[in-house]
Amino acid sequence: GAGVSQTPSNKVTEKGKYVELRCDPISGHTALYWYRQSLGQGPEFLIYFQGTGAADDSGLPNDRFFAVRPEGSVSTLKIQRTERGDSAMYLCASSTQDGTEAFFGQGTRLTVV
Amino acid sequence: GNSVTQMEGPVTLSEEAFLTINCTYTATGYPSLFWYVQYPGEGLQLLLKATKADDKGSNKGFEATYRKETTSFHLEKGSVQVSDSAVYFCALSDPSSGGSNYKLTFGKGTLLTVNP
Repeated sequence: GAGVSQTPSNKVTEKGKYVELRCDPISGHTALYWYRQSLGQGPEFLIYFQGTGAADDSGLPNDRFFAVRPEGSVSTLKIQRTERGDSAMYLCASSTQDGTEAFFGQGTRLTVV
Repeated sequence: GNSVTQMEGPVTLSEEAFLTINCTYTATGYPSLFWYVQYPGEGLQLLLKATKADDKGSNKGFEATYRKETTSFHLEKGSVQVSDSAVYFCALSDPSSGGSNYKLTFGKGTLLTVNP
């Protein structure tokens, strides 16, 4: 596609449930990033993939959060046992390996009730 | 660790006014600096960047100069338009962070509203 696509655009879930958020990067982009943006804050880094492997997952807040990118393209961010504090906008970005710019998707707004 | 502090908003200006949004940073290593913009209903877009001291990034009439001595990267525009209304984020990328250029540390964002 023309840009980074994230689905769903909105997700409401009950506390304790499991959710998956999907990111389709720009075709050919080997680097993929997940960020989380809470209301009134800037985005915070979660995890970075180079190809299929997570090169840096130091931003994942705890072991309820996990992300995969099995074929080096689409990535899924998985959150287990969701908590109300997980409510935020989840952003995905992609770039070429030594790209001059990272391109962001429009995000998935997750609300945990 | 790395951090970015930017001027808190909201900022409200009249069309054709001069804009400054202050941004200062703390970083280990030698960061690249960015301004991102988020227009209503859209995703984050790169506005401009600078990769070394004294570099000036510019785009769409906006400018920012990388000042190592003051650890600053203030955003300026000489004459704002209604269409510039958006949230602006200052960010840094520390190249020492494992080779990833886009492991970014963002400021909290500044909402700019330009009235006709």
